Amino acid sequence: DVKVTQSSRYLVKRTGEKVFLECVQDMDHENMFWYRQDPGLGLRLIYFSYDVKMKEKGDIPEGYSVSREKKERFSLILESASTNQTSMYLCASSLGHGGDYGYTFGSGTRLTVV
Amino acid sequence: SQKIEQNSEALNIQEGKTATLTCNYTNYSPAYLQWYRQDPGRGPVFLLLIRENEKEKRKERLKVTFDTTLKQSLFHITASQPADSATYLCALDDTGFQKLVFGTGTRLLVSP
Repeated sequence: DVKVTQSSRYLVKRTGEKVFLECVQDMDHENMFWYRQDPGLGLRLIYFSYDVKMKEKGDIPEGYSVSREKKERFSLILESASTNQTSMYLCASSLGHGGDYGYTFGSGTRLTVV
Repeated sequence: SQKIEQNSEALNIQEGKTATLTCNYTNYSPAYLQWYRQDPGRGPVFLLLIRENEKEKRKERLKVTFDTTLKQSLFHITASQPADSATYLCALDDTGFQKLVFGTGTRLLVSP
């Protein structure tokens, strides 16, 4: 069964900490994505990557960065965590990065910044 | 401005009935529209994809329609079951930007 695995289900971090969220996929997909999901706002795209070492900003990249050193791994970095980054973070991968293929999502990381 | 609208109120139906969920969009010209299911605390699961030149797509008890004139997609679950209770998200491609944009979802509750 194909999988996207996010390293943590729940995280609690302090304001100002540097936070790493890890995502690994086993489907050999070129395209990977980071979304955050908040009540009433839906899923919002933070960053995506269509190849190793490539990255593109999504709709809300401020305060975040990403790393894609290997095809299967896409990391989201919160440079200095703030309380407004408390959210559910979802990683996804796909054969395409438009709408021509479905996305496979991980189970999500619920991050709380205190 | 660009919008994807799904009914924010939960849809309550009885087991065995057909559930119909609506996705309307404004100021997009998608080539594809997708539907996902999301259970509480979990990531969305891809269900169906429909292309702009397809009027209808079926998969088991699921049916999706796509009307580019009305700028609307309908998602039907026939013979609904309590296990179908979840939030259903529609998503479309933001043409030219090569990304998928999601609606906020509609919660479906199927009672026995």
